[in-house]
Amino acid sequence: EVQLEESGGDLVQPGGSLRLSCAASGFTFGSYWINWLRQAPGKGLEWVANINQDGSVRNYVDSVRGRFTISRDNAKNSLYLQMNSLRVDDTAVYYCARDPAAAPYYDNWGQGTLVTVSS
Amino acid sequence: DIQMTQSPSTLSASVGDRVTITCRASQSISSWLAWYQQKPGKAPKLLIYKASSLESGVPSRFSGSGSGTEFTLTINSLQPDDFATYYCQQYNSYSITFGQGTRLEIK
Repeated sequence: EVQLEESGGDLVQPGGSLRLSCAASGFTFGSYWINWLRQAPGKGLEWVANINQDGSVRNYVDSVRGRFTISRDNAKNSLYLQMNSLRVDDTAVYYCARDPAAAPYYDNWGQGTLVTVSS
Repeated sequence: DIQMTQSPSTLSASVGDRVTITCRASQSISSWLAWYQQKPGKAPKLLIYKASSLESGVPSRFSGSGSGTEFTLTINSLQPDDFATYYCQQYNSYSITFGQGTRLEIK
């Protein structure tokens, strides 16, 4: 069974940093593009970033480019999101999600981890 | 960025009804469209990809159609488990975007 489990969400002050993790199991992690998406409270879905199988290609939404860094460790079946210079509008539930076909759309999602940016 | 507009924003229906949700793209996206279902406090679930391909394990009462700029998600014979929020997502460009969502509620 494919499983993705996020962790690392917390309350952080504006301008602060946070690192999210996503632990994968049940599939060959290193064979897939993996994504971070987010959902602000009561709002819709927003794609944040993705990374290809070996980590050599990374894409970001404009609003986080230069502040967030996506990375992966295939030996540990893990995905990461380093978030710096956090802003109040980064407050959201952050999901990791698998792209099954480099399409990208998302066939398996984690349960999400809440990041709250507030003073 | 490609803008995705769903209609209606809210839809009231009864068990057994047939409902249709529309998603319009601001420019052609060929068939690069997915549909998701999301329930409160849960992650989204993939229903349809490439506009009309049913994801494995998804009931056949869900179907998708369309190409270019106009797409529809149809649910035949609504079941109690179908009351949720539905999102479309385009993946024609690497500026991936979602519609704002359609909340399907019980009449």
